[in-house]
Amino acid sequence: GAGVSQSPSNKVTEKGKDVELRCDPISGHTALYWYRQSLGQGLEFLIYFQGNSAPDKSGLPSDRFSAERTGGSVSTLTIQRTQQEDSAVYLCASSPTRTGGNEKLFFGSGTQLSVL
Amino acid sequence: SQQGEEDPQALSIQEGENATMNCSYKTSINNLQWYRQNSGRGLVHLILIRSNEREKHSGRLRVTLDTSKKSSSLLITASRAADTASYFCATALSGNTPLVFGKGTRLSVIA
Repeated sequence: GAGVSQSPSNKVTEKGKDVELRCDPISGHTALYWYRQSLGQGLEFLIYFQGNSAPDKSGLPSDRFSAERTGGSVSTLTIQRTQQEDSAVYLCASSPTRTGGNEKLFFGSGTQLSVL
Repeated sequence: SQQGEEDPQALSIQEGENATMNCSYKTSINNLQWYRQNSGRGLVHLILIRSNEREKHSGRLRVTLDTSKKSSSLLITASRAADTASYFCATALSGNTPLVFGKGTRLSVIA
């Protein structure tokens, strides 16, 4: 596809369950970001993959959150033992080169996660 | 942190008027970017201004950057109802650090 694709677009889960959110970046983009946005709030940085370098995980809120990026392309954000405060829109973005901070980001439409 | 903060939090104007939104940040930056978000989902990049630039234009958008005051402004001229959205600034310390976003300004343009 031409843009960043995220799936599912909506996810409803029960408290305590694990969830996996998927992001397909634009083909060839080497930098990939995950952000979280609570209702009416700004974007909270979670994790940043920059080419083959070790990811910047400084934004992950707890050890229940993890992410991986396989083959430099698709990324999966995993939330274990979900809590109600995890409810938010999870946004993925990519940019063409490893110097992500110098370039514009291309965003997906996000996954709306609701934890009941 | 270098997180930007937008001001005002919300802005309501009549169609045809100009809209000005401001962003302040805390530390030296590599560049500053503005994004628009419709309906609380994906963001769209509007403009990037580098730390050695002072002003940049794109269509009806004008962005200024004052590194001495650690602030930027986004001006939308001759606003339209379709400009109704949330606008965010984002900053990066360097090319190897992640973009950090502010909390945004919600703009409402009334026809």
